[in-house]
Amino acid sequence: EDQVTQSPEALRLQEGESSSLNCSYTVSGLRGLFWYRQDPGKGPEFLFTLYSAGEEKEKERLKATLTKKESFLHITAPKPEDSATYLCAVTPSYGNKLVFGAGTILRVKS
Amino acid sequence: DGGITQSPKYLFRKEGQNVTLSCEQNLNHDAMYWYRQDPGQGLRLIYYSQIVNDFQKGDIAEGYSVSREKKESFPLTVTSAQKNPTAFYLCASRKKGGPGANVLTFGAGSRLTVL
Repeated sequence: EDQVTQSPEALRLQEGESSSLNCSYTVSGLRGLFWYRQDPGKGPEFLFTLYSAGEEKEKERLKATLTKKESFLHITAPKPEDSATYLCAVTPSYGNKLVFGAGTILRVKS
Repeated sequence: DGGITQSPKYLFRKEGQNVTLSCEQNLNHDAMYWYRQDPGQGLRLIYYSQIVNDFQKGDIAEGYSVSREKKESFPLTVTSAQKNPTAFYLCASRKKGGPGANVLTFGAGSRLTVL
């Protein structure tokens, strides 16, 4: 069964304190891994797509990396506006559906 | 600006009632999806449609129904058969090919509460 596990469930950081979120996955062939950001009461907003092990993508303070079994979302010198829930999802090679993890709730305090 | 519009934002339902959540997109996307989000759980797929007049059940379709009469519209009906309908419902769409074809675009969501 295809599965996505995100850790930690919640993370509290001080402004400027860098850290990483983890997304481990078990899937029958990986077509793509996706990171989304979700603010409370809103729909998820697309951040990155990664397709193959070794691939990296960056956007402002965020950097996503991918290995054969997991992905990391690195947050460098976070600011309070980075507070949100970060969702990871994978698309198996055999289908068009996304399998989502439960998310990591990030709180950055000033 | 192109996007997905979900309505209503908040909806209250009495037990035994059917309710319909609206989802409209002007992105010219072919595929549309309905997800349910509960605290501490990942998004779960209810129904999806890849073309007009065709749709498939997702992982938790029981107690829900959909229609896809127009490319732009994919309404979700939560029936009285759904035993625990209180949740946040998200509609999404995706284009079939070209750059960004695998990326889902989401609406702002509809929160349904059963009284």
